[in-house]
Formats: sequence, structure tokens, C-alpha cells
Amino acid sequence: EPEVTQTPSHQVTQMGQEVILRCVPISNHLYFYWYRQILGQKVEFLVSFYNNEISEKSEIFDDQFSVERPDGSNFTLKIRSTKLEDSAMYFCASKTALSNAKPNEQFFGPGTRLTVL
Amino acid sequence: AQTVTQSQPEMSVQEAETVTLSCTYDTSESDYYLFWYKQPPSRQMILVIRQEAYKQQNATENRFSVNFQKAAKSFSLKISDSQLGDAAMYFCAYRSAEGYQKVTFGTGTKLQVIP
Repeated sequence: EPEVTQTPSHQVTQMGQEVILRCVPISNHLYFYWYRQILGQKVEFLVSFYNNEISEKSEIFDDQFSVERPDGSNFTLKIRSTKLEDSAMYFCASKTALSNAKPNEQFFGPGTRLTVL
Repeated sequence: AQTVTQSQPEMSVQEAETVTLSCTYDTSESDYYLFWYKQPPSRQMILVIRQEAYKQQNATENRFSVNFQKAAKSFSLKISDSQLGDAAMYFCAYRSAEGYQKVTFGTGTKLQVIP
């Protein structure tokens, strides 16, 4: 069964450093998402991406964040200068563009745990 | 904006018994989807069950079923014959049928299964 994959599974970085979290969505999917879950809290939407551009973003997704689909298979989330409060689990998700596809839900990856020291 | 509320931070159930997790939501939309996700200690998000708002029939998936009350904006999850592997965090979630369809999650209910 196709699945969303994410690398690395755990990333440790120093405050102020740049990190890139990578996701490989399911191959025929065209909508891509990033979500964040701070430990012990709920999962929060960060950004959605379609047709090579951001379609929606939350207030969390400020100028420190960017997304890219560099090569038609990967979908990346970059944090330019990490802060302590960026420590969280980051989930990638993807969805087919077919509105009548069953199931028409987002498939989540296993997550990347980001620890900022 | 849509909101999802889970009022039970923690629940416990005896193995083989039945437990119901509560969820309410708020929306002005008429067409949407509701989900229950399971998050074990590995923290991966696993879809348990989904419900389309236009369907009156409650969704079921093996031991998992929902009680969807559209007018009351209530969407509870019933787990029958609870197993030790059901112990996890459970998130209720909402997704509009329109737009780019981000998922809005509740705060979660931690389910403990007692042997």
C-alpha cells in the first residue's frame, strides 16, 4: 500500500540553525500539507501546497518557514533560524486531487521529531 | 473558523469492555468530513474511521463505530471489545469538503486499556 514517508525520523539542531524536513508524498497525490504537534498538544495546521504554490497557511507559518517541491517527488519544509519553541513533531500529509476519489482523505507520514537545543 | 472540542483528556477501559470517546465540533458549513485518528506512543497518525457529513448512516470499521449527530454537531467514537493495542491518544478531526481542506484537530483523549 502506498504511504507517505518522511526523513529524518529525528533531527536535533542548535538554536539559530537552519533545518530542512523532507517528505515523499504518495506518487499520484497533488495536495501537500505540513502540520506541527508540540509535545502534549494538539496537531496544528501549518501550510498547504498545490500546483507549486502555497494555497493556505496558518499564523504559525511565518517568514522563518518555507516549503518547496524541488523535484516532483520530494516536498520539503525549511525552518531558516530555529527557535526553542520550534521543537515539535512535524507531520507531512498528501491527498489526491480527485474530488470523487475514495477515500479522499489526507494520508499522514510518520512524522519527524525536531529537537532544538 | 471551525473548532473541534474533546472534553475528555483521559479515559480508561477494561480490556474487552466498550468505551465511548466524545467529540463536538462547530462549523457553519454543510458539507464536511469527520475523522478519528489514533496516535500510539510512536506518534504516527493512524486513521481509525471517517464520516461524511452528508451520510446519515454512522460509519463502522470492525470494532470501531461512530455516533454522528449532525444537528447537535457531535461525533463520538465507540470502541467495542477493547484491546491492549487500542491504548493511544485519539484525536477527533474535521475537514471541510471545500477549499484546500486542511484538517482541524481536537486536543485529544488519552485512552488507557486496563488488563
